Amino acid sequence: EPEVTQTPSHQVTQMGQEVILRCVPISNHLYFYWYRQILGQKVEFLVSFYNNEISEKSEIFDDQFSVERPDGSNFTLKIRSTKLEDSAMYFCASKADGTTPLHFGNGTRLTVT
Amino acid sequence: TQLLEQSPQFLSIQEGENLTVYCNSSSVFSSLQWYRQEPGEGPVLLVTVVTGGEVKKLKRLTFQFGDARKDSSLHITAAQPGDTGLYLCAGALQGGSEKLVFGKGTKLTVNP
Repeated sequence: EPEVTQTPSHQVTQMGQEVILRCVPISNHLYFYWYRQILGQKVEFLVSFYNNEISEKSEIFDDQFSVERPDGSNFTLKIRSTKLEDSAMYFCASKADGTTPLHFGNGTRLTVT
Repeated sequence: TQLLEQSPQFLSIQEGENLTVYCNSSSVFSSLQWYRQEPGEGPVLLVTVVTGGEVKKLKRLTFQFGDARKDSSLHITAAQPGDTGLYLCAGALQGGSEKLVFGKGTKLTVNP
């Protein structure tokens, strides 16, 4: 069964550094998402992406965050200057169209020290 | 802020028992999903309910969407140790929003 794959599974970085989290959505999917889950807290929406542009973003997704679909298969989340509070599990998700189920990857655990 | 409250937060039962997990909100959702999440993995979709009052069955799991589309329940019959996991509800708000609002989850442990 096709799946959403995320790399790396765990990323450790120092405060102030830039990180790029990578995702390969399911190949025929058109809608792409990033969610995050701080340890012990709810899964939170960050951003949705469709037709090569951001369709919706949350208040968490400030100008330190950006997303890109550089080559038609990868979908990346960049955090420009990481903060301690960015430590979380980051999940990529995709779906084929507006009515189909959302498929999540297994996440990247980001640890900012 | 729209909230989805799940209860109970933790549930530990013996194999063979029945249980119900609740997901409540003051907001109306166009659809509501139930996910199961294992440690170190992403949420895996179990079911989507769309119509108020809708009931869906998945083997021993029964999902119900409230008439007003503000709440949902998950009932497991004759729970087994393999049902152990974190159960999350997530709702899509009315108005065409792309985002899913998640509950905090119910951590279920089924003891043999």
